[in-house]
Amino acid sequence: QVQLVQSGAEVKKPGASVRVSCKTSTDRFTNYYIHWVRQAPGQGLEWMAINNPFGGVTNYAQEFQGRVSMTRDTSTSTVHMELGSLRFEDTAVYYCASSPFSGYDTYFDIWGQGTPVTVSS
Amino acid sequence: QSILTQPPSVSAAPGQKVTISCAGSSSNIGSSYVSWYQQLPGAAPKLLIYDNNKRPSGIPDRFSGSKSGTSATLGITGLQTGDEADFYCGTWDSTLNTVVFGGGTKLTVL
Repeated sequence: QVQLVQSGAEVKKPGASVRVSCKTSTDRFTNYYIHWVRQAPGQGLEWMAINNPFGGVTNYAQEFQGRVSMTRDTSTSTVHMELGSLRFEDTAVYYCASSPFSGYDTYFDIWGQGTPVTVSS
Repeated sequence: QSILTQPPSVSAAPGQKVTISCAGSSSNIGSSYVSWYQQLPGAAPKLLIYDNNKRPSGIPDRFSGSKSGTSATLGITGLQTGDEADFYCGTWDSTLNTVVFGGGTKLTVL
């Protein structure tokens, strides 16, 4: 069964950066879009970014522009998401999720287990 | 504040039916497919419905989806206590160029 396996929990100070990893199968890494979605404590889902496997183009939600980046490691079929200039309100569980399509037909067929990120002084 | 509007909570007795609404606009639901996700306590979301009304393999036919204009609805029949969860609708917004979600609906099976 295909899975998305994420890296472990992180605790960071305000102003620092955090990198969260999402490892999957070679087929899914090559043919599916990888997204990042976060969920603050007791809150709903918030979409952050998408990585396009066909050319590696990445798009980000406007509120994260300049703070977030995504990179791909082909040798390990892993997508990394780095969020910088962390604020207390960035405390959340960060999920990676895959979609077979993008745009108007985007849906998330598989989700990672989630990575809790705590921003604390 | 979420782009898509869902009721905060719904409840019904075991065996009964419940519907959860998701209201949007012409730039999102009105022009894109809708998907629905179930999030059990402490777990990651799970895909229930995609392309408005299609069920992934393994999702029972007690779950159904529909869309009309700028609104979508998730229906659950034969409610079970194990269905208690948060449910989210999601779609693409062509103006924002982002995926948008509803605020989530907590289902209680009384």
